[in-house]
Amino acid sequence: DTEVTQTPKHLVMGMTNKKSLKCEQHMGHRAMYWYKQKAKKPPELMFVYSYEKLSINESVPSRFSPECPNSSLLNLHLHALQPEDSALYLCASSQQGDRTYEQYFGPGTRLTVT
Amino acid sequence: GQSLEQPSEVTAVEGAIVQMNCTYQTSGFYGLSWYQQHDGGAPTFLSYNALDGLEETGRFSSFLSRSDSYGYLLLQELQMKDSASYFCAVRNNAGNMLTFGGGTRLMVKP
Repeated sequence: DTEVTQTPKHLVMGMTNKKSLKCEQHMGHRAMYWYKQKAKKPPELMFVYSYEKLSINESVPSRFSPECPNSSLLNLHLHALQPEDSALYLCASSQQGDRTYEQYFGPGTRLTVT
Repeated sequence: GQSLEQPSEVTAVEGAIVQMNCTYQTSGFYGLSWYQQHDGGAPTFLSYNALDGLEETGRFSSFLSRSDSYGYLLLQELQMKDSASYFCAVRNNAGNMLTFGGGTRLMVKP
Protein backbone atom coordinates (compact mmCIF):
# COMPACT_ATOMS: atom_id res chain seq x y z
CA ASP A 1 0.00 0.00 0.00
CA THR A 2 1.68 3.20 -1.20
CA GLU A 3 -1.24 5.48 -0.47
CA VAL A 4 -1.53 8.50 1.76
CA THR A 5 -5.14 9.41 2.50
CA GLN A 6 -6.46 12.78 3.61
CA THR A 7 -9.85 13.87 4.88
CA PRO A 8 -11.82 15.91 4.16
CA LYS A 9 -11.21 16.59 0.45
CA HIS A 10 -12.81 20.02 0.71
CA LEU A 11 -13.44 22.24 3.70
CA VAL A 12 -15.12 25.62 4.00
CA MET A 13 -14.81 27.31 7.36
CA GLY A 14 -15.43 30.67 8.90
CA MET A 15 -12.78 32.64 10.68
CA THR A 16 -14.14 31.72 14.10
CA ASN A 17 -14.46 27.98 13.46
CA LYS A 18 -12.30 25.15 14.72
CA LYS A 19 -11.68 22.25 12.36
CA SER A 20 -9.15 19.47 11.86
CA LEU A 21 -7.50 17.93 8.82
CA LYS A 22 -6.56 14.27 8.97
CA CYS A 23 -3.88 12.25 7.22
CA GLU A 24 -3.12 8.52 7.33
CA GLN A 25 -0.47 6.26 5.86
CA HIS A 26 0.26 2.55 6.29
CA MET A 27 3.66 2.33 4.62
CA GLY A 28 5.56 2.21 7.90
CA HIS A 29 7.04 5.63 7.25
CA ARG A 30 8.31 7.41 10.36
CA ALA A 31 8.55 10.90 8.83
CA MET A 32 5.35 12.83 8.10
CA TYR A 33 4.87 16.32 6.72
CA TRP A 34 2.34 19.10 6.30
CA TYR A 35 2.64 21.41 3.28
CA LYS A 36 0.59 24.39 2.16
CA GLN A 37 0.19 25.02 -1.57
CA LYS A 38 -1.33 28.08 -3.21
CA ALA A 39 -2.49 27.98 -6.82
CA LYS A 40 0.37 27.87 -9.36
CA LYS A 41 2.95 27.84 -6.54
CA PRO A 42 5.17 25.10 -5.10
CA PRO A 43 4.37 23.26 -1.89
CA GLU A 44 5.63 25.14 1.16
CA LEU A 45 6.74 23.08 4.13
CA MET A 46 4.88 23.78 7.36
CA PHE A 47 5.76 20.98 9.80
CA VAL A 48 7.83 17.80 9.95
CA TYR A 49 7.27 14.93 12.37
CA SER A 50 10.02 12.41 12.89
CA TYR A 51 9.21 9.31 14.95
CA GLU A 52 6.02 11.04 16.14
CA LYS A 53 7.92 14.06 17.44
CA LEU A 54 7.76 17.53 15.91
CA SER A 55 11.19 18.12 14.41
CA ILE A 56 10.63 21.12 12.13
CA ASN A 57 8.19 24.03 12.43
CA GLU A 58 8.70 26.50 9.63
CA SER A 59 7.57 29.52 11.65
CA VAL A 60 3.92 28.67 11.12
CA PRO A 61 1.34 30.85 12.95
CA SER A 62 -0.10 29.29 16.09
CA ARG A 63 -3.56 29.14 14.53
CA PHE A 64 -2.22 25.96 12.89
CA SER A 65 -1.56 23.21 15.43
CA PRO A 66 -0.16 19.84 14.30
CA GLU A 67 -0.55 16.57 16.14
CA CYS A 68 0.85 13.10 15.53
CA PRO A 69 -1.17 10.62 17.64
CA ASN A 70 0.72 7.57 16.34
CA SER A 71 3.08 6.51 13.57
CA SER A 72 0.26 6.27 10.99
CA LEU A 73 -1.76 9.37 11.71
CA LEU A 74 -1.16 13.08 11.37
CA ASN A 75 -3.63 15.83 12.18
CA LEU A 76 -3.65 19.56 11.59
CA HIS A 77 -5.94 21.52 13.93
CA LEU A 78 -7.18 24.83 12.59
CA HIS A 79 -8.50 27.72 14.66
CA ALA A 80 -9.25 31.37 13.92
CA LEU A 81 -7.92 31.18 10.39
CA GLN A 82 -7.67 34.10 8.00
CA PRO A 83 -8.91 34.26 4.38
CA GLU A 84 -5.27 34.22 3.19
CA ASP A 85 -4.97 30.73 4.72
CA SER A 86 -7.19 29.40 1.94
CA ALA A 87 -5.03 26.88 0.06
CA LEU A 88 -4.47 23.20 -0.68
CA TYR A 89 -3.05 21.44 2.39
CA LEU A 90 -0.95 18.44 1.52
CA CYS A 91 0.20 15.68 3.81
CA ALA A 92 3.23 13.55 2.89
CA SER A 93 5.26 10.73 4.37
CA SER A 94 8.66 9.21 3.78
CA GLN A 95 11.21 6.86 5.21
CA GLN A 96 13.80 8.38 7.51
CA GLY A 97 17.43 9.10 6.77
CA ASP A 98 18.67 9.00 3.21
CA ARG A 99 15.22 8.22 1.77
CA THR A 100 13.56 11.47 2.82
CA TYR A 101 14.02 12.72 -0.74
CA GLU A 102 11.19 10.38 -1.83
CA GLN A 103 8.01 11.67 -0.29
CA TYR A 104 4.56 10.25 -0.87
CA PHE A 105 1.84 12.88 -0.98
CA GLY A 106 -1.84 12.59 -0.21
CA PRO A 107 -4.45 14.18 -2.51
CA GLY A 108 -4.78 17.18 -0.22
CA THR A 109 -7.57 19.09 1.50
CA ARG A 110 -8.74 22.18 -0.35
CA LEU A 111 -9.49 24.72 2.36
CA THR A 112 -11.52 27.87 1.89
CA VAL A 113 -11.72 30.37 4.75
CA THR A 114 -14.66 32.79 4.54
CA GLY B 1 18.73 29.78 3.04
CA GLN B 2 17.86 28.05 -0.17
CA SER B 3 16.74 29.25 -3.57
CA LEU B 4 15.86 27.26 -6.67
CA GLU B 5 15.18 28.68 -10.11
CA GLN B 6 13.09 26.97 -12.78
CA PRO B 7 11.63 28.35 -16.03
CA SER B 8 7.94 28.99 -15.48
CA GLU B 9 6.61 27.40 -18.68
CA VAL B 10 7.74 25.10 -21.46
CA THR B 11 5.72 24.02 -24.50
CA ALA B 12 6.61 20.99 -26.62
CA VAL B 13 5.06 18.74 -29.23
CA GLU B 14 3.90 15.19 -28.69
CA GLY B 15 6.71 12.73 -29.42
CA ALA B 16 9.44 15.31 -28.88
CA ILE B 17 12.10 15.58 -26.17
CA VAL B 18 12.02 18.34 -23.56
CA GLN B 19 14.57 19.44 -20.98
CA MET B 20 13.54 21.35 -17.85
CA ASN B 21 16.32 23.07 -15.94
CA CYS B 22 16.84 23.81 -12.27
CA THR B 23 19.56 25.92 -10.70
CA TYR B 24 19.94 26.09 -6.96
CA GLN B 25 21.74 27.88 -4.17
CA THR B 26 21.81 26.11 -0.87
CA SER B 27 24.01 25.25 2.06
CA GLY B 28 24.67 21.65 2.96
CA PHE B 29 23.41 20.19 -0.31
CA TYR B 30 22.49 16.50 -0.16
CA GLY B 31 20.62 15.91 -3.40
CA LEU B 32 18.05 17.05 -5.97
CA SER B 33 14.61 15.47 -6.37
CA TRP B 34 12.04 15.89 -9.12
CA TYR B 35 8.27 15.75 -8.67
CA GLN B 36 5.38 15.83 -11.13
CA GLN B 37 2.04 17.40 -10.30
CA HIS B 38 -1.00 17.31 -12.57
CA ASP B 39 -3.63 20.03 -12.15
CA GLY B 40 -5.80 19.14 -9.16
CA GLY B 41 -3.51 16.27 -8.20
CA ALA B 42 -0.82 15.52 -5.66
CA PRO B 43 2.92 15.77 -6.33
CA THR B 44 4.44 12.40 -7.26
CA PHE B 45 8.11 11.51 -6.96
CA LEU B 46 9.98 11.02 -10.25
CA SER B 47 13.71 10.94 -9.65
CA TYR B 48 16.61 11.78 -7.33
CA ASN B 49 20.26 12.64 -7.89
CA ALA B 50 22.78 12.77 -5.09
CA LEU B 51 25.87 12.41 -7.30
CA ASP B 52 26.90 14.01 -10.57
CA GLY B 53 25.60 12.35 -13.69
CA LEU B 54 22.50 11.01 -15.36
CA GLU B 55 19.82 8.80 -13.81
CA GLU B 56 17.40 7.13 -16.21
CA THR B 57 13.95 5.74 -15.43
CA GLY B 58 12.06 4.83 -18.56
CA ARG B 59 11.20 7.97 -20.53
CA PHE B 60 12.45 10.18 -17.71
CA SER B 61 16.08 11.08 -17.03
CA SER B 62 17.53 13.45 -14.46
CA PHE B 63 20.95 15.03 -14.46
CA LEU B 64 22.98 16.74 -11.75
CA SER B 65 26.15 18.82 -11.77
CA ARG B 66 27.08 19.68 -8.19
CA SER B 67 29.94 21.93 -9.26
CA ASP B 68 27.52 24.04 -11.34
CA SER B 69 24.62 23.80 -8.83
CA TYR B 70 22.50 22.74 -11.76
CA GLY B 71 20.24 19.91 -12.71
CA TYR B 72 17.68 19.05 -15.35
CA LEU B 73 14.83 16.66 -16.02
CA LEU B 74 14.64 15.20 -19.52
CA LEU B 75 11.42 13.73 -20.87
CA GLN B 76 11.53 11.70 -24.07
CA GLU B 77 8.74 10.59 -26.43
CA LEU B 78 6.42 13.19 -24.95
CA GLN B 79 2.79 12.22 -24.43
CA MET B 80 -0.22 14.41 -23.80
CA LYS B 81 -0.45 13.00 -20.28
CA ASP B 82 2.96 14.53 -19.50
CA SER B 83 1.30 17.97 -19.41
CA ALA B 84 1.81 18.90 -15.76
CA SER B 85 3.95 21.00 -13.44
CA TYR B 86 7.43 19.72 -12.64
CA PHE B 87 9.19 20.76 -9.46
CA CYS B 88 12.80 20.33 -8.49
CA ALA B 89 13.44 20.08 -4.75
CA VAL B 90 16.62 20.28 -2.73
CA ARG B 91 17.28 18.08 0.26
CA ASN B 92 19.59 19.93 2.59
CA ASN B 93 21.52 19.22 5.74
CA ALA B 94 18.41 19.57 7.88
CA GLY B 95 17.73 16.00 6.85
CA ASN B 96 13.98 15.65 6.54
CA MET B 97 13.42 18.88 4.70
CA LEU B 98 12.73 19.44 1.01
CA THR B 99 12.64 22.94 -0.45
CA PHE B 100 10.81 23.15 -3.77
CA GLY B 101 11.55 25.32 -6.76
CA GLY B 102 8.81 27.39 -8.33
CA GLY B 103 8.02 24.68 -10.87
CA THR B 104 7.91 24.47 -14.64
CA ARG B 105 4.53 24.08 -16.28
CA LEU B 106 4.89 21.76 -19.28
CA MET B 107 2.29 21.93 -22.02
CA VAL B 108 2.37 19.14 -24.59
CA LYS B 109 0.62 19.92 -27.87
CA PRO B 110 -0.53 17.46 -30.54
